[in-house]
Amino acid sequence: DAGITQSPRHKVTETGTPVTLRCHQTENHRYMYWYRQDPGHGLRLIHYSYGVKDTDKGEVSDGYSVSRSKTEDFLLTLESATSSQTSVYFCAIRTGTGVNSPLHFGNGTRLTVT
Amino acid sequence: AQSVTQLGSHVSVSEGALVLLRCNYSSSVPPYLFWYVQYPNQGLQLLLKYTTGATLVKGINGFEAEFKKSETSFHLTKPSAHMSDAAEYFCAVSVGSSNTGKLIFGQGTTLQVKP
Repeated sequence: DAGITQSPRHKVTETGTPVTLRCHQTENHRYMYWYRQDPGHGLRLIHYSYGVKDTDKGEVSDGYSVSRSKTEDFLLTLESATSSQTSVYFCAIRTGTGVNSPLHFGNGTRLTVT
Repeated sequence: AQSVTQLGSHVSVSEGALVLLRCNYSSSVPPYLFWYVQYPNQGLQLLLKYTTGATLVKGINGFEAEFKKSETSFHLTKPSAHMSDAAEYFCAVSVGSSNTGKLIFGQGTTLQVKP
């Protein structure tokens, strides 16, 4: 267990509303990632962070923003949710220091946009 | 650019039969490769990884994978399937520098194990 907590675990929201998902880690690792999982697409990277206030875009970043004001928390915000953002969102951390280090995943947040 | 292709979105085997899940990658640099497993309503769990050295990698739960550079493949195998192996499996390749360590995932393969 890499000490990753995602909240909420489930959320239903309406189109056009803002939504924030939280990822919390207990071990002060530097690298954190947000992925979304959709059938037929596997997991796709939304944004990632390599330190406090250091973030960058992934392959599917449109419509999403992130913030990392503390090492332990990485927030994902949907500014105005759309039905295409209905998905399962996973936070991950990298516990090692090299690019060959695996990622460790949280249990996910299932988001439904109606 | 790096990419991963998993051949077959669904694989069905009988309990006790060989499990073979196929993964091919594309990478312009020596790849770091991973297999993850996902059980229903859970996150992904690392099965095994290849970084350098021995091309046959052993992982948890009796799984292993062989890195074949000439075939750009990293297929996952298990000699004898168990009912508890039913899950979704993802192959992934690490991209970027040590400052990013991003993983690119394949589309996933759902393994069904029949009694």
